[in-house]
Amino acid sequence: GAVVSQHPSRVICKSGTSVKIECRSLDFQATTMFWYRQFPKQSLMLMATSNEGSKATYEQGVEKDKFLINHASLTLSTLTVTSAHPEDSSFYICSATSGSRETQYFGPGTRLLVL
Amino acid sequence: AQTVTQSQPEMSVQEAETVTLSCTYDTSESDYYLFWYKQPPSRQMILVIRQEAYKQQNATENRFSVNFQKAAKSFSLKISDSQLGDAAMYFCAYNAGNMLTFGGGTRLMVKP
Repeated sequence: GAVVSQHPSRVICKSGTSVKIECRSLDFQATTMFWYRQFPKQSLMLMATSNEGSKATYEQGVEKDKFLINHASLTLSTLTVTSAHPEDSSFYICSATSGSRETQYFGPGTRLLVL
Repeated sequence: AQTVTQSQPEMSVQEAETVTLSCTYDTSESDYYLFWYKQPPSRQMILVIRQEAYKQQNATENRFSVNFQKAAKSFSLKISDSQLGDAAMYFCAYNAGNMLTFGGGTRLMVKP
């Protein structure tokens, strides 16, 4: 099956700093990547959709200036949490797909803790 | 808007027995895809099975099979010969365009 990696797996940072999370499709070209946030014991909440070479589309309620997404190539998307605050602490998961209506394959997730 | 409902927050099954997880969805589309994903304690989302709505035949993957009832908008997952490693959160998901809509999840516990 398709493999998606995510780095780092866990990060602890101080309030006010920025954190970058990378998502890579290792064995396929991902035309679209997605970023999700998951709170404990809840389902995944879509934050944004990014297509290679174009601006990300953010879901309602997600601050685009706080969660910067870059999809510079067909195998890499990054999520930068700017000026992180404790309420940004969460589990962030990316997924990638090779085409519309194709299966989304998920990265292993990043646990962010903001102190 | 599409919605996906998993009415069973928790389910329990004895090892080697069979369990069925329920999922219903609401859509006005005729062409779409349905998925079951498993999320074990590691929190890695793993694809279990996929069903194309235009296919009448129910998808199967080894011990996992679905009962897809398009008219009823129902998409249940059957796990046969349950194993301890099947213990996880299971999410039903719908895709009619490029976006997945997830259900709230069902936590499956497997008793030895």
